[in-house]
Amino acid sequence: QVQLVQSGAEGKKPGASVRVSCMISGYTFTAYYIHWVRLVPRQGLEWVGMIHPSSGNSRLAPKFQGRVTITRDTSTSTVYMEMSSLRFEDTAMYYCLRAIDHGDKRWFDPWGQGTLVSVSS
Amino acid sequence: DIQMTQSPSSLSASVGDRVTITCRASQTIGTYLNWYQQKPGKAPNVLIYAASTLQSGVPSRFSGSGSGTDFTLTITSLQPEDFAIYYCQQSFSILYTFGQGTKLEIK
Repeated sequence: QVQLVQSGAEGKKPGASVRVSCMISGYTFTAYYIHWVRLVPRQGLEWVGMIHPSSGNSRLAPKFQGRVTITRDTSTSTVYMEMSSLRFEDTAMYYCLRAIDHGDKRWFDPWGQGTLVSVSS
Repeated sequence: DIQMTQSPSSLSASVGDRVTITCRASQTIGTYLNWYQQKPGKAPNVLIYAASTLQSGVPSRFSGSGSGTDFTLTITSLQPEDFAIYYCQQSFSILYTFGQGTKLEIK
């Protein structure tokens, strides 16, 4: 079955960087966009960005441009999200998700299990 | 950005009740509206996509409606496993945005 398996929890200090991985199986890796979304405590879900695994082209939400990089490794069917200059407010659960796009229908399914990134001094 | 506003933010109900959650978009989004359910310690799962299409495997007590800017998620005959957080999400604009969530609790 389709699975998105993420790397484990990370604890970082302000100013550091973190890289979260998302290993994909169960379908052709290059066929669907992969997105990253984060769940910030008491704030809700926030879209971070996306990548097309075939081309490697990515797009980020404006607030993350310059601080987040999304890449992929086709040899291991893995997508990476790297965030630099971490701030306390980046503490969140980060999810990778597959985007299904059928013309006028677009939705996320499935989601990875989530990776908790904690930023503290 | 398209803002998504859900109401209520929390809701208490009993097993067997019918509940409705609403989601309003700050601009028209057609039917590019999805609903997700998140249980404690788990990732969200899609319930309904394109405003009213039930995801495979989701019980028929869940239904969605609406178009343009106003949408609803209805759960008829609540079951114990339905107590969770529900999010709407617009997929009209590439800056995908979510509602703030509705926490459905047992009364």
